[in-house]
Amino acid sequence: AQTVTQSQPEMSVQEAETVTLSCTYDTSESDYYLFWYKQPPSRQMILVIRQEAYKQQNATENRFSVNFQKAAKSFSLKISDSQLGDAAMYFCAYRSAWVETSGSRLTFGEGTQLTVNP
Amino acid sequence: EAQVTQNPRYLITVTGKKLTVTCSQNMNHEYMSWYRQDPGLGLRQIYYSMNVEVTDKGDVPEGYKVSRKEKRNFPLILESPSPNQTSLYFCASSLRGRTGELFFGEGSRLTVL
Repeated sequence: AQTVTQSQPEMSVQEAETVTLSCTYDTSESDYYLFWYKQPPSRQMILVIRQEAYKQQNATENRFSVNFQKAAKSFSLKISDSQLGDAAMYFCAYRSAWVETSGSRLTFGEGTQLTVNP
Repeated sequence: EAQVTQNPRYLITVTGKKLTVTCSQNMNHEYMSWYRQDPGLGLRQIYYSMNVEVTDKGDVPEGYKVSRKEKRNFPLILESPSPNQTSLYFCASSLRGRTGELFFGEGSRLTVL
């Protein structure tokens, strides 16, 4: 079974600064996807960024980028130029590529609550 | 607008009183699932469905039932709710296939007294 661990329950950052959220995972599979989701106070689950395991290039989406270390099973999220609207709970998630048996099942980490200070 | 709709969004009930949380999607997705979110535990899958009349247990199925009689609907049934089922519930759906992105509903906050 796959597991996802986020070891930072809470993080804080000053507005306009950079912050990195950590995530490690465990799997015996070689083909999978990793995600970061943002959950603001509205509770909506918003996909921030997605990484395919067979792609060596780290994914980026505007101010959000990841550091994907497949051998180390590490998947951190870097938020540059932090904004007040970035304040939220962030979840790291894993999904197998073998969706015919497990569907689009996501395994989530515990979450990291990010505070952005003005 | 493509969306996953859950109802009710908020519910306070008492132990043992059967309740159903409805979930409907308008994207013709084959795959649907339910998660519960608890502090310090993240989201955990309760049940999922690969298509109509095909359902299977997730990680925490105890105390829940589901059915998938129509492609668009996937209700979550709590036959006899207990306080440990107080949680935030999410329904999600996606197209079948390795690139299918999971779309989430807005969540249902359930409190069982």
